[in-house]
Amino acid sequence: SYVLTQPPSVSVAPGQTARITCGGYNIGSKSVHWYQQKPGQAPVLVVYDDTDRPSGVPERLSGSNSGNTATLTISRVEAGDEADYFCQVWDGGSAVFGGGTKLTVL
Amino acid sequence: QITLKESGQALVEPTQTLTLTCSFSGFSLNTSGVGVGWIRQPPGKALEWLALIYWDGDNRYSPSLRSRLTITKDTSRNQVVLTMTNMDPVDTATYYCAHRAYTSSSFFDYWGLGALVTVSS
Repeated sequence: SYVLTQPPSVSVAPGQTARITCGGYNIGSKSVHWYQQKPGQAPVLVVYDDTDRPSGVPERLSGSNSGNTATLTISRVEAGDEADYFCQVWDGGSAVFGGGTKLTVL
Repeated sequence: QITLKESGQALVEPTQTLTLTCSFSGFSLNTSGVGVGWIRQPPGKALEWLALIYWDGDNRYSPSLRSRLTITKDTSRNQVVLTMTNMDPVDTATYYCAHRAYTSSSFFDYWGLGALVTVSS
């Protein structure tokens, strides 16, 4: 089965740039989707199809995908960005989620 | 406006069967391309996809849980039902249903609030 690997945690100071990676074999050939989940809340879609944002998601959040790594980039990080982030792909008829990354704003 | 809401047993004894209902509004499971999926999350852990049912009745299951899962739809009532047999304490989790969107692949653009299910005797 397909495996997506995320770092357990990323820490960044306010105003800086956070990069959250999602590794998978030849993930660049797949469409990657990203979800943000704050404590006690349901996940929220923040990026789909590698780079697209649903309406209402700030332009500060962007995605990229190439080779064996997809990346969610959050520019000018704010305290409100502190959350867990999960990547997801569709592989062989199944949805696959990464293990999640906790973003801490210092 | 799309909304989804999960309901079902909050407490299940080991070996029993869990039945969860997803009641939704704002879309129809009669519409081509539409799907509803189930995803769970044990406390403090990652999301795990369980199952998906499409507008045409086709369905997909997690390979690791396929033998225990059944997903059905009642289009007239705007509901999707997930059953999971032989429940175990490791199945304790928040269970979410979500609307499946599709462009170049499937993803979940609207989620319910989730239902916490505890497996314990």
